[in-house]
Amino acid sequence: DAGVIQSPRHEVTEMGQEVTLRCKPISGHNSLFWYRQTMMRGLELLIYFNNNVPIDDSGMPEDRFSAKMPNASFSTLKIQPSEPRDSAVYFCASSLGGAGRNYGYTFGSGTRLTVV
Amino acid sequence: KQEVTQIPAALSVPEGENLVLNCSFTDSAIYNLQWFRQDPGKGLTSLLLIQSSQREQTSGRLNASLDKSSGRSTLYIAASQPGDSATYLCAVGSARQLTFGSGTQLTVLP
Repeated sequence: DAGVIQSPRHEVTEMGQEVTLRCKPISGHNSLFWYRQTMMRGLELLIYFNNNVPIDDSGMPEDRFSAKMPNASFSTLKIQPSEPRDSAVYFCASSLGGAGRNYGYTFGSGTRLTVV
Repeated sequence: KQEVTQIPAALSVPEGENLVLNCSFTDSAIYNLQWFRQDPGKGLTSLLLIQSSQREQTSGRLNASLDKSSGRSTLYIAASQPGDSATYLCAVGSARQLTFGSGTQLTVLP
């Protein structure tokens, strides 16, 4: 398996523009997570999907952020409009498991977002 | 709310030394604990996963222990090498997420 695949690896955009980050989880994994990493706050969970359904989006910072998982092999995280404080590394992770148990998380290589 | 603390924040050792990284967590109702390695500008690489029913896991020169009752885990690295230089992250797994510590930045000097 190629692991968790994220695209793009790097994204530089101007303030106010829409940004879409993409993730392909490991085949067979039924849980998907979006995390954000910054120097100040470390790794924070943004949203968690189980069987393509959003279970916990309490970490989504505000309405400018939205995430979808239209099928088991694809998820997007969208920021509209983007702001400089959104600059961070965004990681996608997948896991086999769900409420009650999981078998460890596999992370993608991340998308480094810079909003200027 | 689960809180995960890693001590020390940074560590510098000479090559060949055995070392221990510490992780503590506040809520013992966990499903598992996972240690990751992160190289600068890179993603997270899983090193070891310990399920809540286990006490330790080993992989090569790495050994991780888990004491749920005291809320502690340690990562032991034997015979450290310059290639071990990275940030090591401890993450505690619950039903819905991994909660991460802030990491220990390890530098192994040749």
